[in-house]
Amino acid sequence: NAGVTQTPKFQVLKTGQSMTLQCAQDMNHEYMSWYRQDPGMGLRLIHYSVGAGITDQGEVPNGYNVSRSTTEDFPLRLLSAAPSQTSVYFCASSFVKLGLYIGELFFGEGSRLTVL
Amino acid sequence: AQTVTQSQPEMSVQEAETVTLSCTYDTSESDYYLFWYKQPPSRQMILVIRQEAYKQQNATENRFSVNFQKAAKSFSLKISDSQLGDAAMYFCAYRSAYGGSQGNLIFGKGTKLSVKP
Repeated sequence: NAGVTQTPKFQVLKTGQSMTLQCAQDMNHEYMSWYRQDPGMGLRLIHYSVGAGITDQGEVPNGYNVSRSTTEDFPLRLLSAAPSQTSVYFCASSFVKLGLYIGELFFGEGSRLTVL
Repeated sequence: AQTVTQSQPEMSVQEAETVTLSCTYDTSESDYYLFWYKQPPSRQMILVIRQEAYKQQNATENRFSVNFQKAAKSFSLKISDSQLGDAAMYFCAYRSAYGGSQGNLIFGKGTKLSVKP
């Protein structure tokens, strides 16, 4: 059971470049989300999804796009990378049952992104 | 909106001793979950312990236990018999039991725990 898989684990970009962080889960979780972690800031929510075809913004959505075409995948796109997007990114998922969230999130291993 | 506050940016404990990490939260909801996550240098987020708000009994997991004070909105983590492997960043987190945006996990800023041999 792979759980939540993120790729790539490390990436260096130049300002203005675009890229996609991939996230896949094999637990049939309806809820998926992306967080960014910055020193002294904890983890902050970027975007989330409660099912295929449904996405919404979190606390810090600017500069990021997401889509959810399948239950398994939830990619995060940076259309024009900026140095302020240098961070560690985490994808996470969990069960949803009858509209209620069931407990903890399962996290991927994180992706370290550096924008020069 | 809910908030989570960890007032101790850094803590230190001697190996084999006990340490308590503090966490307070603010919410108007009655049904929710509280979590402590551990993040070692590998940066993997590891769930340490969870507490359901409707349960009065404090959760325990081996050397880890919590002191959950619902009325005071306090959720501290106690680590007993500290080991070198406990050194990590610890995050307190809140999650509503309800759907939609309420179900998103809200993190504190973390407490960095050092363990001295």
